[in-house]
Amino acid sequence: QKEVEQNSGPLSVPEGAIASLNCTYSDRGSQSFFWYRQYSGKSPELIMSIYSNGDKEDGRFTAQLNKASQYVSLLIRDSQPSDSATYLCAVKGDYKLSFGAGTTVTVRA
Amino acid sequence: EAGVVQSPRYKIIEKKQPVAFWCNPISGHNTLYWYLQNLGQGPELLIRYENEEAVDDSQLPKDRFSAERLKGVDSTLKIQPAELGDSAVYLCASSPSTSGGGNNEQFFGPGTRLTVL
Repeated sequence: QKEVEQNSGPLSVPEGAIASLNCTYSDRGSQSFFWYRQYSGKSPELIMSIYSNGDKEDGRFTAQLNKASQYVSLLIRDSQPSDSATYLCAVKGDYKLSFGAGTTVTVRA
Repeated sequence: EAGVVQSPRYKIIEKKQPVAFWCNPISGHNTLYWYLQNLGQGPELLIRYENEEAVDDSQLPKDRFSAERLKGVDSTLKIQPAELGDSAVYLCASSPSTSGGGNNEQFFGPGTRLTVL
């Protein structure tokens, strides 16, 4: 079993819709959770961090964490063409950051 | 504030040749990471430094890969000799010190895309 698993994608959503990305992790002791956005040919860019159960909102992005279910998600509201990218879920144990393979999102104009 | 700097951005070499990548972290960040990213995959940690000490190199293929961070600031990752399967993007990231754990966020440089022919 992989440490961090994400929807296989790709995910195609119309402009203005909500994109929902899911991630599960295997290490129950994980304490920190991150979402990175990676445009094609570019490096990962940190867009959200979440450390406690519940929701965290930042602009059009909402991260949701449920440690009991070992599940973290990212919602992108009012999706824009500029949101088209691969979204990487990353989970931090003691020191190591483990990444999922990413979900590619395409926002259709 | 400048971000993580890496060079070169692209490198094409023939197999069995040596290659080196350089990284300068964000100023004040004591922790430096080297990752490898294959197409369609997430980054995979190769080595983590706390200042000049390599505190986690368990995933570094030590028969051909080496790294150093002599003064605890910039770092060099070397492959000698390179193999076809080493073609990938090599990413450097940095964060404030992770001593004692903590939630320190990691920030990535632009990466070096290596092609081994």
